[in-house]
Amino acid sequence: DADVTQTPRNRITKTGKRIMLECSQTKGHDRMYWYRQDPGLGLRLIYYSFDVKDINKGEISDGYSVSRQAQAKFSLSLESAIPNQTALYFCATSVPHGGRETQYFGPGTRLLVL
Amino acid sequence: GQQVMQIPQYQHVQEGEDFTTYCNSSTTLSNIQWYKQRPGGHPVFLIQLVKSGEVKKQKRLTFQFGEAKKNSSLHITATQTTDVGTYFCAPGRSGGSNYKLTFGKGTLLTVNP
Repeated sequence: DADVTQTPRNRITKTGKRIMLECSQTKGHDRMYWYRQDPGLGLRLIYYSFDVKDINKGEISDGYSVSRQAQAKFSLSLESAIPNQTALYFCATSVPHGGRETQYFGPGTRLLVL
Repeated sequence: GQQVMQIPQYQHVQEGEDFTTYCNSSTTLSNIQWYKQRPGGHPVFLIQLVKSGEVKKQKRLTFQFGEAKKNSSLHITATQTTDVGTYFCAPGRSGGSNYKLTFGKGTLLTVNP
């Protein structure tokens, strides 16, 4: 969805480096998420945030941290990247509406850790 | 979070054949969403099912929610090459607030033209 953007789209880094993946949205949604996708494992939740002052761990938060700088921005950091963090990372947003809460995904960031 | 088993993991069909993917849970689900991810793309919401026994259709796609709300299926009639992608089910939380979806591992559909 063009309303959710991620930068960079591709990144190659070395073990031990600190990197940041950024997500911006123009949908005006309060809720934002970070997922990673690995072949055969589906989408796994890393962190999520309900508003600027709210940060929650997902199922696989170890080795990651996040920052919610504004309603529209949610960044994911790898403090010291390791090869098994090589994956496709998605940011998503949502807002509850009429008993439903659809998630809108960004285009993804493909990360390779050497 | 709620765990679901999605089968099959992969399915290859000839164009024109039908396709079905199943999502099974050991616990009763409040609702379930389905998403599609095209190759190289990102997941896109398809539909949400809420009621026991609910059936919804979107052109050639038919979505069902089991009577016991423990399983769901997506059936595609007469597949086309545009149907290629991974289909994910995602059970939602009670009350309809699906802020913390748990996605199934997905079914990858490939279609031979």
